[in-house]
Amino acid sequence: GNSVTQMEGPVTLSEEAFLTINCTYTATGYPSLFWYVQYPGEGLQLLLKATKADDKGSNKGFEATYRKETTSFHLEKGSVQVSDSAVYFCALWGYNQGGKLIFGQGTELSVKP
Amino acid sequence: NAGVTQTPKFRILKIGQSMTLQCAQDMNHNYMYWYRQDPGMGLKLIYYSVGAGITDKGEVPNGYNVSRSTTEDFPLRLELAAPSQTSVYFCASSSPLPTPESEAFFGQGTRLTVV
Repeated sequence: GNSVTQMEGPVTLSEEAFLTINCTYTATGYPSLFWYVQYPGEGLQLLLKATKADDKGSNKGFEATYRKETTSFHLEKGSVQVSDSAVYFCALWGYNQGGKLIFGQGTELSVKP
Repeated sequence: NAGVTQTPKFRILKIGQSMTLQCAQDMNHNYMYWYRQDPGMGLKLIYYSVGAGITDKGEVPNGYNVSRSTTEDFPLRLELAAPSQTSVYFCASSSPLPTPESEAFFGQGTRLTVV
């Protein structure tokens, strides 16, 4: 079936540290891949996306590359800030998923000053 | 820019009561979704719709019902509320099919407590 697996949280980093949050997927066809972010008390908002293999999505210093050979879409940021503290969700969506937007379990990030 | 609007934002229900969570979008999106998010957990899909008059079950549909009579609205009905339905509920909408320009937009959520 179709699924998304993220690394377990919470992840705690110091300000300016390098961030990697792993995401792997299982899917038929060629889905689009997304990272959503949820700040405390808010809904989800799109952080970045990639629609085909080898595409790199980027936004606000975050990056992720669609790797079909390893079925991965890892989120990275070179220098995190306290304001990046949030829950991050990896997701996939495509024709073969019948219109369903499928999420991973989320990874909580806490950045300390 | 209204986007996706959910009402109410908070609600406390007694066991056995019923209620409807409202969701409306003004972006003319065909696809709409209802998710629940339990504390420390990810999002689980309850129901979704690919267009007016068409709905389908997600992972956790038991205890819920939906209807989609218009493109704009996608209400979620809870019948006979149970403590296990205590959660935060999110509605989302998206354009017809994944394209380079499309994304899903989320409402702010409804925090429901069943006591």
